Amino acid sequence: ELKVEQNPLFLSMQEGKNYTIYCNYSTTSDRLYWYRQDPGKSLESLFVLLSNGAVKQEGRLMASLDTKARLSTLHITAAVHDLSATYFCAVILGGSGNTGKLIFGQGTTLQVKP
Amino acid sequence: KAGVTQTPRYLIKTRGQQVTLSCSPISGHRSVSWYQQTPGQGLQFLFEYFSETQRNKGNFPGRFSGRQFSNSRSEMNVSTLELGDSALYLCASSLPLGGVNTEAFFGQGTRLTVV
Repeated sequence: ELKVEQNPLFLSMQEGKNYTIYCNYSTTSDRLYWYRQDPGKSLESLFVLLSNGAVKQEGRLMASLDTKARLSTLHITAAVHDLSATYFCAVILGGSGNTGKLIFGQGTTLQVKP
Repeated sequence: KAGVTQTPRYLIKTRGQQVTLSCSPISGHRSVSWYQQTPGQGLQFLFEYFSETQRNKGNFPGRFSGRQFSNSRSEMNVSTLELGDSALYLCASSLPLGGVNTEAFFGQGTRLTVV
C-alpha cells in the first residue's frame, strides 16, 4: 500500500526565514504533485515533478524530487505572510498509462508570522 | 477557460438520507476523480472515472457510488448518510492522470454536513 508522509505537520515561522517541508513516499512512483490549500478553499496546483532530480521554482517556493530516496522537498525562501496555508504533496498510484489516483500526504500547515 | 464546477457548494442533510453531488470538469478533460477531505482522515481517494467507466475505487463502503456521463460530467451519490460522512468532497478533472505532464485540477468542493 502506498503511503505518503509529510513533515512537519505544522510549521510556524517568522517572515523572512527559510524552511523546508519534506514528503516521503513508500513505493516507486515517478511523479509527485504539490498543492496549496487555503482555509475553506480548494486545492491549488503548485508543482508537478515528473522525474528524478526534477526541480521547479515559483516565486519563493522551490520543489525537488529524488525518486531513488522516494523524497520530495518544498523549500520556502524568505517567507511572507501570504504563504500561510496548508501544503499537500501527492503521489500518483498506477504508474504509467492512462490510469491513476492521487495519494495525499497529511498536509503541512504553514503559519508565517510578521 | 472555465474551471472545475461543483454543485452544490454547501449541503445539510439528515442521517439516513441520501445525497447527490455534481462535478463538471474542465472542457476537454475526460478523467474525473473524487476525494473526501476530513480533519481526521485527510484527503482520501473515492473513485476515478474515465470515459464513463470507473477505473479506480478507494476503500469506501458501497454507500458511496458514482457515475460519469457522456459529456464527462460526473455525479457521486452517498446513500444512508452517517454523521461521519460530513466532509468536504472535492472533484478533480484531468486529462488521463498518468500521461506526461498531466495534473489534476480541483473544484471548489461541496461541503456536506450530516446532522
